[in-house]
Amino acid sequence: RKEVEQDPGPFNVPEGATVAFNCTYSNSASQSFFWYRQDCRKEPKLLMSVYSSGNEDGRFTAQLNRASQYISLLIRDSKLSDSATYLCVVNWSGSSNTGKLIFGQGTTLQVKP
Amino acid sequence: EAGVTQSPTHLIKTRGQQATLRCSPISGHTSVYWYQQALGLGLQFLLWYDEGEERNRGNFPPRFSGRQFPNYSSELNVNALELEDSALYLCASSLNVGTGTRNEQFFGPGTRLTVL
Repeated sequence: RKEVEQDPGPFNVPEGATVAFNCTYSNSASQSFFWYRQDCRKEPKLLMSVYSSGNEDGRFTAQLNRASQYISLLIRDSKLSDSATYLCVVNWSGSSNTGKLIFGQGTTLQVKP
Repeated sequence: EAGVTQSPTHLIKTRGQQATLRCSPISGHTSVYWYQQALGLGLQFLLWYDEGEERNRGNFPPRFSGRQFPNYSSELNVNALELEDSALYLCASSLNVGTGTRNEQFFGPGTRLTVL
């Protein structure tokens, strides 16, 4: 079983649509969670950290369910510029920090006019 | 404020050669991480340096090595290059992290290594 699993998509949606991405992780000791965005042949950029209480940043909402080991990202009112690959990322830092982030394979979003 | 910088942007080598990739972290960040992203694959953790010491390494052979300098910049060396080493090598930096911290990492633009 992969440590972080995502539906690879692609998700093809029209402008203005609401789209949701889901992610599951296998290590229950995981402590920090993130969504990164990666454009084609570019580096990943931190989109948002995911907090236990859920958090929102403009059109983006992230949720965490520790009991189900499940993370989600909701994008409202999709823009053409949202087209990218969205990476679910987990950091496990139990008794000692490993330093490494575990990346999912990414979910591709294509927003069409 | 400048982000993470990496050089060179592209690097072409032949099998058996050595490659050296460089990274400068965001000012104030002491931790540097290296990741490999092969075509069609996810990011794989390679190495973590903090305060000049190697803190952790991923499942890569010993011919992948590196170091961190007193100014916190870092170098990744890949010896005896193989065709499957062709990939985008990404460097990230973060603030000094301790147990339980969030470890938000910020990435540089990467070095695309091609092994012929």
